[in-house]
Amino acid sequence: AQTVTQSQPEMSVQEAETVTLSCTYDTSESDYYLFWYKQPPSRQMILVIRQEAYKQQNATENRFSVNFQKAAKSFSLKISDSQLGDAAMYFCAYRRIQGGSEKLVFGKGTKLTVNP
Amino acid sequence: DTGVSQNPRHKITKRGQNVTFRCDPISEHNRLYWYRQTLGQGPEFLTYFQNEAQLEKSRLLSDRFSAERPKGSFSTLEIQRTEQGDSAMYLCASSFLQGIGYGYTFGSGTRLTVV
Repeated sequence: AQTVTQSQPEMSVQEAETVTLSCTYDTSESDYYLFWYKQPPSRQMILVIRQEAYKQQNATENRFSVNFQKAAKSFSLKISDSQLGDAAMYFCAYRRIQGGSEKLVFGKGTKLTVNP
Repeated sequence: DTGVSQNPRHKITKRGQNVTFRCDPISEHNRLYWYRQTLGQGPEFLTYFQNEAQLEKSRLLSDRFSAERPKGSFSTLEIQRTEQGDSAMYLCASSFLQGIGYGYTFGSGTRLTVV
């Protein structure tokens, strides 16, 4: 079964600085999707960024970028120029592409605090 | 259409009572998912529908849980004879079949407290 591990329960960053959140996963599949979701306090979970495993180029979305290391099964999220609104729980998630379960497998999350 | 809507937002119930939650997905989305999130954990998959067909159920979904999606529109999740361990946030999400790689759109969740 696929598993997703986020080894940092909490992280903090100064406003305008850069922070990297770690995620590793375990799978025997060669093709899959990886996602980072943001869950602000008492608000809905929203998609931050996605990566398809067959694409070698790291995904970027404005201030958010990933470092996807397929061989190491690592998928870290870098937030540049951190803003107060970035404070939230961040979840890494995995989904296989072909066949089998349709579910997203989530990590336990990293709580990000942004200090002014 | 403003996204995935879940009702109620909060529910407090006594142990042993039945509860029902409702999810209204984005109207064009043909897939609908239920997840459960307990404190300090990531969401865990419960079940999903493609249109009105329930295609997958997690082992977390005990016999006390039942989900429906009549006519492939809104969905309900019922928990019978609630237990304190059922206390959690219940999340609904929806997606296009063809847009799976783009992730889901989540609702704000229903927080269940069993006392």
